[in-house]
Amino acid sequence: AQSVTQLDSQVPVFEEAPVELRCNYSSSVSVYLFWYVQYPNQGLQLLLKYLSGSTLVKGINGFEAEFNKSQTSFHLRKPSVHISDTAEYFCAVSDGGTGGFKTIFGAGTRLFVKA
Amino acid sequence: GAVVSQHPSWVICKSGTSVKIECRSLDFQATTMFWYRQFPKQSLMLMATSNEGSKATYEQGVEKDKFLINHASLTLSTLTVTSAHPEDSSFYICSARDWGTAASGAYNEQFFGPGTRLTVL
Repeated sequence: AQSVTQLDSQVPVFEEAPVELRCNYSSSVSVYLFWYVQYPNQGLQLLLKYLSGSTLVKGINGFEAEFNKSQTSFHLRKPSVHISDTAEYFCAVSDGGTGGFKTIFGAGTRLFVKA
Repeated sequence: GAVVSQHPSWVICKSGTSVKIECRSLDFQATTMFWYRQFPKQSLMLMATSNEGSKATYEQGVEKDKFLINHASLTLSTLTVTSAHPEDSSFYICSARDWGTAASGAYNEQFFGPGTRLTVL
């Protein structure tokens, strides 16, 4: 069975500061990893994904994440945040087909950017 | 990019009535769609996997007789909440998997709908 742990429920940060949102996963099979952003009362928008290849993945809006297999982590980073980055961020893992391509989401991290 | 729509975007109903939510893939065919529910300030919980032309697969703890799923075509899946009660009030989100772009690397990507806010009075 797969699981996703987002270590921080809330992350307050000042505008233009760097931020890291932490995500750890567990799985007995190869997985695909994702980060999504959700703005209030909206659906999910894909920020970035890791399927294979380079462990450093770049996404939209200046975000990037690094897949670390030995530490089973997929932390999301941005070097300089904006007020508009305030949102809920979800880390997710998909089984790649062995379990029907189901995607399991972490509990979410609320990023709050302060002026 | 691929677009998934949901209708309605929000609905208010009386306790005991049934509500149908539609999920459509607008520019691609989706053999598999997923239904999630999200309570306020919580994560998405997978309710069921909907496969075109076959019965849905429900996650443990989800009442299949209460949450009826129909996936009659490659672009439409519906979720019907039967005999809704206030505890069913939630944000329901669907997603669809685009199998048609395997070569581009989007093989395992899901596209999410904008969600439907259900409030049962």
